[in-house]
Amino acid sequence: EVQLVESGGGLVQPGGSLRLSCAASGFSLSDYYMDWVRQAPGKGLEWVGRSRNKPSGYTTDYAASVKGRFTISRDDSQNSLYLQMYSLKTEDTAMYFCARDNTGSYDFWGRGTLVTVSS
Amino acid sequence: DVVMTQSPLSLPVTLGQPASISCRSSQSLVYSDGNTYLNWFQQRPGQSPRRLIYKVSNRDSGVPDRFSGSGSGTDFTLKLSRVEAEDVGVYYCMQGIQWPYTFGQGTKLEIK
Repeated sequence: EVQLVESGGGLVQPGGSLRLSCAASGFSLSDYYMDWVRQAPGKGLEWVGRSRNKPSGYTTDYAASVKGRFTISRDDSQNSLYLQMYSLKTEDTAMYFCARDNTGSYDFWGRGTLVTVSS
Repeated sequence: DVVMTQSPLSLPVTLGQPASISCRSSQSLVYSDGNTYLNWFQQRPGQSPRRLIYKVSNRDSGVPDRFSGSGSGTDFTLKLSRVEAEDVGVYYCMQGIQWPYTFGQGTKLEIK
């Protein structure tokens, strides 16, 4: 059974840092592109960034709103995806989901981890 | 980026009645492989999104057959033949033809 489990969220002050993890099971992370998607309270879904797989050179891309502040990495040996967030702003407050990209679609999502940026 | 526009944004429905959500994209979602990469997701209160439909009309495993997707090119529709209480939530369309994938604003389905 495919599962994605996010962790690492919490309360952080503006300007602070946080590292989120996404533990995958039931499939091999190395076969897939993986994305982070976030949802601010009461709002819609916003793509944050992408981690491509080994055949695609493990390249990453980011939404303009987080570029230069967020870094995505993965450890295929641990079947885990990470989102390192720096210089956090109040507008980064959101539920953060990891999602598996399967040919133009997100076929599996985690339950999410909540990040609150507040003083 | 491809802009996805849903309507209505709020959808009050009586139990047992049909419902329909429209989604339009700013460009065709037909890819060079002939497939159309339009997805529908359901997000129940307090839960993460769950995919219902992919490539316009393919239902995911476990999705009731009262859900159906249709459309082509830039215009798509999600239909529920008979709304049940468990269908309450927000529905999103999402395009997967061009990175970054983009979502519609969401349609909130509630029971009248």
